[in-house]
Amino acid sequence: DAGVIQSPRHEVTEMGQEVTLRCKPISGHDYLFWYRQTMMRGLELLIYFNNNVPIDDSGMPEDRFSAKMPNASFSTLKIQPSEPRDSAVYFCASSLGGGNSPLHFGNGTRLTVT
Amino acid sequence: GENVEQHPSTLSVQEGDSAVIKCTYSDSASNYFPWYKQELGKGPQLIIDIRSNVGEKKDQRIAVTLNKTAKHFSLHITETQPEDSAVYFCAATDSWGKLQFGAGTQVVVTP
Repeated sequence: DAGVIQSPRHEVTEMGQEVTLRCKPISGHDYLFWYRQTMMRGLELLIYFNNNVPIDDSGMPEDRFSAKMPNASFSTLKIQPSEPRDSAVYFCASSLGGGNSPLHFGNGTRLTVT
Repeated sequence: GENVEQHPSTLSVQEGDSAVIKCTYSDSASNYFPWYKQELGKGPQLIIDIRSNVGEKKDQRIAVTLNKTAKHFSLHITETQPEDSAVYFCAATDSWGKLQFGAGTQVVVTP
């Protein structure tokens, strides 16, 4: 199994630009999570999906953030427009059975907004 | 909502010694308590988990204990090795089934 695959690994962009982060979950997993990791706030849950349907987006910081899961093997997290305070490592994770089951994390996308 | 506190924030141990990390949680409905290890440049990886119907679980050099009455759980690593150096996170599910993570413990094992 290839595990959860995220792309790109690194993204550097200028303030105001649109950023799209991508995730391919483990085949067969029915839950997908997007997390953000910063030194100040640690690991924060942004949004999660069950069977491609967004269940809870209460962690999405602002309307500038949006996430989609068009099918079981692909999800995107978009930031438009990006701001320097969005700089962080963004992780995608998948699981079979939700938050009460082991999460499998990708290796993250390090986003730098200048 | 759930609040998970983790201590210490950094832990330095000599190779071969034991390491203990402690966490407390606030939501009495929490029933799943995983521990993750994060190496530099990688995502967190599950190393052990425990459910509320169990008080202790062990996997080779790693063990986790849970005290539901006191709402705290701990990770114990015995016979530490340099490859145990990493950041460790505890977590607990809240009433909505969402995982809340502790702030992390940087463990450094010195040869």
